[in-house]
Amino acid sequence: EAQVTQNPRYLITVTGKKLTVTCSQNMNHEYMSWYRQDPGLGLRQIYYSMNVEVTDKGDVPEGYKVSRKEKRNFPLILESPSPNQTSLYFCASSLGIGTDNGYTFGSGTRLTVV
Amino acid sequence: SQKIEQNSEALNIQEGKTATLTCNYTNYSPAYLQWYRQDPGRGPVFLLLIRENEKEKRKERLKVTFDTTLKQSLFHITASQPADSATYLCARGSQGNLIFGKGTKLSVKP
Repeated sequence: EAQVTQNPRYLITVTGKKLTVTCSQNMNHEYMSWYRQDPGLGLRQIYYSMNVEVTDKGDVPEGYKVSRKEKRNFPLILESPSPNQTSLYFCASSLGIGTDNGYTFGSGTRLTVV
Repeated sequence: SQKIEQNSEALNIQEGKTATLTCNYTNYSPAYLQWYRQDPGRGPVFLLLIRENEKEKRKERLKVTFDTTLKQSLFHITASQPADSATYLCARGSQGNLIFGKGTKLSVKP
C-alpha cells in the first residue's frame, strides 16, 4: 500500500531531551516535507526537501533539524525540545511539480514536551 | 508578505445543497493551488490541483475554479452529504514549498 509512515504516533518527552520522529515513504516521491499543526495557527511548514541531500527551511524551522540521506526517509530531529514544540506533526511526500498529484500525508505524531 | 487566506472559519449548510468555499491570495501569483480535506486528528487528504492557466477542474461532485483577476479560488461540493463534513484546506505551491490556509470547517446537516 502506498503510504507515508511516521513513528511514533504519540510521544511525551521532557524539555531538553533530544528526539527524532521518523518518516518514510514507499512511493519513490521526490518531495518530502514536515508540518506542525496548532489550534488557530493551521498547518505550518517546518522544512522541506526536493531531493536527496537537498533541504530548505519552511516558515517555522527554528528548533528543528532534518536530513535527507535517502529518498524514502526524512527524519525530523529536535535537538533540545521545549514546551512550545508541543504540537501535532505531519510528514508528507509528493511526486513534485509537473504532475497533478498533491502531497500524501502521514497519520501524524502528537508530541508533548513537559 | 505572500498570503493565502480562507476567509470563512466555518460554513454550515443543509444536505443536498452546494457548498462553496473561498480561498484568496495576495502579493503573488501562484502557479497552482491545491485543495485538501482534513478530518479531526488525521492528516490532510489531497483532493484537487488547479493551475493558473486552468479556469476550472472537476472530480465527481467537486469543482474548483481559479480566477487570477480576482486572485481567488472557489471550491464547490455539489449535492453535499453529512459525510462531506470536514475541514477543507487550500494551499499554494512553489516547488516543494506548499503553504496552507487555515481552513474552513464545513458542517453538512441532514
